[in-house]
Amino acid sequence: QVQLVQSGAEVKKPGASVKVSCKASGYTFTSYYMHWVRQAPGQGLEWMGIINPSGGSTSYAQKLQGRVTMTRDTSTSTVYMELSSLRSEDTAVYYCARSHATVVTPGNYYYYMDVWGKGTTVTVSS
Amino acid sequence: DIQMTQSPSSLSASVGDRVTITCRASQSISSYLNWYQQKPGKAPKLLIYAASSLQSGVPSRFSGSGSGTDFTLTISSLQPEDFATYYCQQSYSTPTTFGQGTRLEIK
Repeated sequence: QVQLVQSGAEVKKPGASVKVSCKASGYTFTSYYMHWVRQAPGQGLEWMGIINPSGGSTSYAQKLQGRVTMTRDTSTSTVYMELSSLRSEDTAVYYCARSHATVVTPGNYYYYMDVWGKGTTVTVSS
Repeated sequence: DIQMTQSPSSLSASVGDRVTITCRASQSISSYLNWYQQKPGKAPKLLIYAASSLQSGVPSRFSGSGSGTDFTLTISSLQPEDFATYYCQQSYSTPTTFGQGTRLEIK
């Protein structure tokens, strides 16, 4: 079955970096883009960015530009999200989510996040 | 960025009730609107995509409607497992954005 398995919880000090992994299985890895979404404690969902596992191209949320890097390893069907210069506000659960596209008209698609990982808790604390 | 505003922010209802949650976009997004359900400690789950298309495996008591700037998620007859937080999300333009969530509680 289609599955996204994320790496385990992390505790980091302010200023450090964290790298979270998301291993895909049950589908063709390079056929679906992957989002990263985070959720601070008691808060809503915040989109962080997206990666194309096929070519590796990325698009990041403007507020995270310069601190976030998304990469992929096609040999292991794994995407990675690295966040640097961590601050307390980065404490959150980090999710990867597969982007599914449904054709509206040729060249136009509806996009939605149809499969989610269970989440990785990242705690930033001194 | 497109702002998504949900109402109400929280809602109390009873099993068997019909419930409607509203989502408004700050500009027209056609039908590029998705709905998710999230239970405590769990990842979000896709319910509705393209404003009104039911995701496979989701019970038919869930339905979505709307286009342009105003959208609704309706649960026709609340079941105990439906008490959760619901989020709308626009996929019309990048960055994709979510509503702030609507917490559905048991009355």
